[in-house]
Amino acid sequence: GQNIDQPTEMTATEGAIVQINCTYQTSGFNGLFWYQQHAGEAPTFLSYNVLDGLEEKGRFSSFLSRSKGYSYLLLKELQMKDSASYLCAVRDYNYGQNFVFGPGTRLSVLP
Amino acid sequence: DSGVTQTPKHLITATGQRVTLRCSPRSGDLSVYWYQQSLDQGLQFLIQYYNGEERAKGNILERFSAQQFPDLHSELNLSSLELGDSALYFCASSVDSGATPNYGYTFGSGTRLTVV
Repeated sequence: GQNIDQPTEMTATEGAIVQINCTYQTSGFNGLFWYQQHAGEAPTFLSYNVLDGLEEKGRFSSFLSRSKGYSYLLLKELQMKDSASYLCAVRDYNYGQNFVFGPGTRLSVLP
Repeated sequence: DSGVTQTPKHLITATGQRVTLRCSPRSGDLSVYWYQQSLDQGLQFLIQYYNGEERAKGNILERFSAQQFPDLHSELNLSSLELGDSALYFCASSVDSGATPNYGYTFGSGTRLTVV
């Protein structure tokens, strides 16, 4: 089966940097995705990693270590609008190539 | 606007009733996925259709069913509704069947179902 773990909640200050961790266990790993979801809205795609290393996309970066079953999402220069839930999702060969989503991390950015 | 259209946006119905949720995928996308998101749970995969055929099944109850029509829109049917079925139901679409790893999903804005 699959198991994905993320911290439930995090708080950070505007302008700061925050790292959201995700650990996963899956037998058919085929990529790790990060999505942002504002309350009551649809998740929106942020980043994707399939190989080890860091992918940078503006203020957002995502890191993957497949041997450790570990990823993180790094958000720099935090803005109030970054307050949202951040969902880690693993794509799994054994799950019809579909995504298994983690429980999400609710980030609150304070002034 | 993501290009994935879900209707209705809100639905309130009584226990025991049946409802149909509709999803039109983004133009050019062949796959449609249905997810359920309850307050106390994350996004739970229900079912995937690719070009009219069922491709993968997740944690979908027997009371729920779905189909994808020739014009690629999809409907999720929920019957014998219970209070616990109250949730946000998201539809997502992608251009591939899932074989290409670097395509993510595009989500619709969801249907909020409240069972009273």
